[in-house]
Amino acid sequence: EIVMTQSPATLSVSPGERATLSCRASQSITNNLAWYQQKPGQAPRLLIFAASTRATGIPARFSGSGSGTEFTLTISSLQSEDFAIYYCQQYNNWPPPTFGGGTKVEIK
Amino acid sequence: EVQLLESGGGLVQPGGSLRLSCRISGFTSTSYTMNWVRQAPGKGLEWVSAIEGDGTTFYANSVKGRFTVYRDNPYNSVSLQMNSLRAEDTALYYCAKDAVAGDGYLFFDYWGQGMMVTVSS
Repeated sequence: EIVMTQSPATLSVSPGERATLSCRASQSITNNLAWYQQKPGQAPRLLIFAASTRATGIPARFSGSGSGTEFTLTISSLQSEDFAIYYCQQYNNWPPPTFGGGTKVEIK
Repeated sequence: EVQLLESGGGLVQPGGSLRLSCRISGFTSTSYTMNWVRQAPGKGLEWVSAIEGDGTTFYANSVKGRFTVYRDNPYNSVSLQMNSLRAEDTALYYCAKDAVAGDGYLFFDYWGQGMMVTVSS
């Protein structure tokens, strides 16, 4: 099973600032990585797949990069609606597809 | 419009059984792999099970032999039969649609609202 590790666990950012979230895989997953956003009381929402492709309707301020074992989600200018928990997920080797533990982006 | 509507959650004693259903609309469900993903209270996401369009099934090791996923095609739904439930199965269970048609890719573009399962005496 591939282990996904996200850092930091919590990121404190002011509105308008850039947020950089990291995700590391325990072995190479090429670019088979997705990012999700989850707000309290809501289901996760797909943001990014194939490491860098934005899902339908996702604003351009969200961007993903990386390949192999190291990945990054960048939110270029945080809006109030972006404060949430973000999860990465690998789908290169399954079952099982595995999620990271999440990064909570909170208001500084 | 794609919609996934779960039902069937609730409180059950350890060792008991429960069945979750996911009513699907807005797409041809047999063209996509359908999944169950759970989230324990205050915790992260854990994939549970998948069923491909041809009926091939996959399970997490933690539920293998206890959970069964199946399609109920006349009703355009997917169900998860959960037996021998344990306290650690307590979670919000989401039905989730694979983002790519055909054989599973196993990343998810649509999710249901979630159904709570509580295993407690």
